[in-house]
Amino acid sequence: SSELTQDPAVSVALGQTVRITCQGDSLRTSYASWYQQKPGQAPLLVIYSKNIRPSGIPDRFSGSRSGKTASLTITGAQAEDEADYYCNCRDRSDLLLFGGGTQLTVL
Amino acid sequence: QLQLQESGPGLVKPSETMSLTCIVSGGPIARSGYYWDWIRQPPGKGLEWIGSIYYRGTTSYMPSLKGRVSLSVDTSRNQFSLRLSSVTAADSAVYYCARRGRGYDYDDAFDFWGQGTMVTVSS
Repeated sequence: SSELTQDPAVSVALGQTVRITCQGDSLRTSYASWYQQKPGQAPLLVIYSKNIRPSGIPDRFSGSRSGKTASLTITGAQAEDEADYYCNCRDRSDLLLFGGGTQLTVL
Repeated sequence: QLQLQESGPGLVKPSETMSLTCIVSGGPIARSGYYWDWIRQPPGKGLEWIGSIYYRGTTSYMPSLKGRVSLSVDTSRNQFSLRLSSVTAADSAVYYCARRGRGYDYDDAFDFWGQGTMVTVSS
């Protein structure tokens, strides 16, 4: 299957840890990249490859992969982390896949 | 700092062809290992990859759009473009251009994005 599946919505209490998951057969052999998108803004890369954070991304963001599931973990979620999060990968047909997105609410 | 800026008409009539250009500044479009992509987002929905182009002209397209979509690159002007024909209301979306680093280990990432431009298909 050439799809990536994400939970539509997840919530977390302020300061707690949350894991956002992305499932798809392509993730067995490809790494996910993760994007944060706030209303009215372009997506922002937060994690890619083997858990690499671009410059300026807080270290509370981390990524992992197990089997066909990729995960984005936010350790100690902050109010400013409330956003939509999308996973993405390139499959073996060189097509780029996006998950449907997860809306994160920080309570 | 690399910057990408989309430009093009915000309103297109059904059945016509829409054209968008992404102007890249702060770095060369002709750089090995980087691809230039178009991604769209219908209002209230998720991100959808449209296609990509390498500076040498190699292209890849979303299968469902094949036949309607065409990408081109102009290295002399440091820009790349999208043409989508026979548009319908379903093509109404915010269109983003982005740079993608192509990883050897299938670990690609879109590291720079344009701000996006809304295109509405309506008569």
